[in-house]
Parts: sequence; structure tokens; C-alpha cells
Amino acid sequence: GENVEQHPSTLSVQEGDSAVIKCTYSDSASNYFPWYKQELGKRPQLIIDIRSNVGEKKDQRIAVTLNKTAKHFSLHITETQPEDSAVYFCAATLQRGSYIPTFGRGTSLIVHP
Amino acid sequence: DSGVTQTPKHLITATGQRVTLRCSPRSGDLSVYWYQQSLDQGLQFLIQYYNGEERAKGNILERFSAQQFPDLHSELNLSSLELGDSALYFCASSLDQTRDEQYFGPGTRLTVT
Repeated sequence: GENVEQHPSTLSVQEGDSAVIKCTYSDSASNYFPWYKQELGKRPQLIIDIRSNVGEKKDQRIAVTLNKTAKHFSLHITETQPEDSAVYFCAATLQRGSYIPTFGRGTSLIVHP
Repeated sequence: DSGVTQTPKHLITATGQRVTLRCSPRSGDLSVYWYQQSLDQGLQFLIQYYNGEERAKGNILERFSAQQFPDLHSELNLSSLELGDSALYFCASSLDQTRDEQYFGPGTRLTVT
């Protein structure tokens, strides 16, 4: 099955800095890569996603890049704000009848004011 | 608010007991997914239903079962509970099997004492 590695497990930045979270996946057939933000005790919220036919996608301060050859994808957050503090999960999704994501272990992002 | 609802929010029960968690998908969504989130295992896919039928199974224990009803709500049944079953249980929904975007409910926090 699919295996997703996510790094770092904790990331501490100053407000205004950029943050980068990286994930690698094992199954080259994975074709959909969502990122979720989860605040403490809350549900995971989809913040951005990318499909395998695209190399980069941007939405305001967040962007995701995908390198299919190397089987890795990254989340980039620019101009970080304290409200960006949360746990971020990447996922790699295969379609085998249904889309079932395999999640990374999460990155705890702390943005210091 | 994702439009996915889950009840109850919190559940405290004793080892050996049985509980039922309930999920209502977003209006129009036919597919429901169940996930378990624990500190040591991260976010793990348990099972998926589509329009009343089981479609995919993940790391779901034999003590756990689920079903999806004609009105599309779903229930996750956990029996012979153990301390290690304490976790956050999330339900997510998507439009159908061809859509990869999933929207998570607020979760049920289960504590087994």
C-alpha cells in the first residue's frame, strides 16, 4: 500500500517568515494530494490540493508543488501569521475504485508573534 | 462548517462496552468515510460506504463495524472496547466515488476508561 512520510514533525517560525513542509510518497499511481490544517481539537480542513497532472498550485499565501518523478510534494506558506499555527497533514490518494487517502503523521507549525 | 455532522461530540465509556457513533454527510454527498485519529497512529482510514454499500476497508478492527442507511447517514459501531480505542473518530463525505475531495465532520472524542 501507499506510505507517506512528512517532515518536519515540528516547525517553529517567526511571524512574517515562510514555512515549508515536505512529504514523500511511495506509490507512483497516487494522483491526488490534499493538504489539511487541523487546529487543536478541531476537524481537519482541506486548505489546498494538487492533482498529478499539475506541478504547482497557489492560493493566496499558500502554495503546493508536486514532483512526480521524485514522488514528493511540498506545502509553502508565505508571510506566516499566528493564526496559521496548527497541525498540517499531507495525504497521497490512490483511486482504486474509490479515493482513499494515506496521511502523513503531521507537522505542528508554531508561528511566534 | 463543512456541512458534515457527527454525534455525540464526546463519549466516555468503560472497557468492554459498545458504542455507536453517528455521521450525517453533506447534503448531496453519497460517500462516507470513517477515520480514527490517535496520538500514536495518526489519522487512519477505517472504512468507506457509498450509497449504502461498503466500498473500501482500511485498518478497521473486527470489533468495529459500520453501515450506511437509506437516508445516507452512517453509524460506526465499536464493541468490546479497549483502552487503546480511545481516539478521535472522524467522518468525512464526498460527492461520489469519482470525486477525491473529502470534507470532515467535527469528530467524536471517545474515551475508554
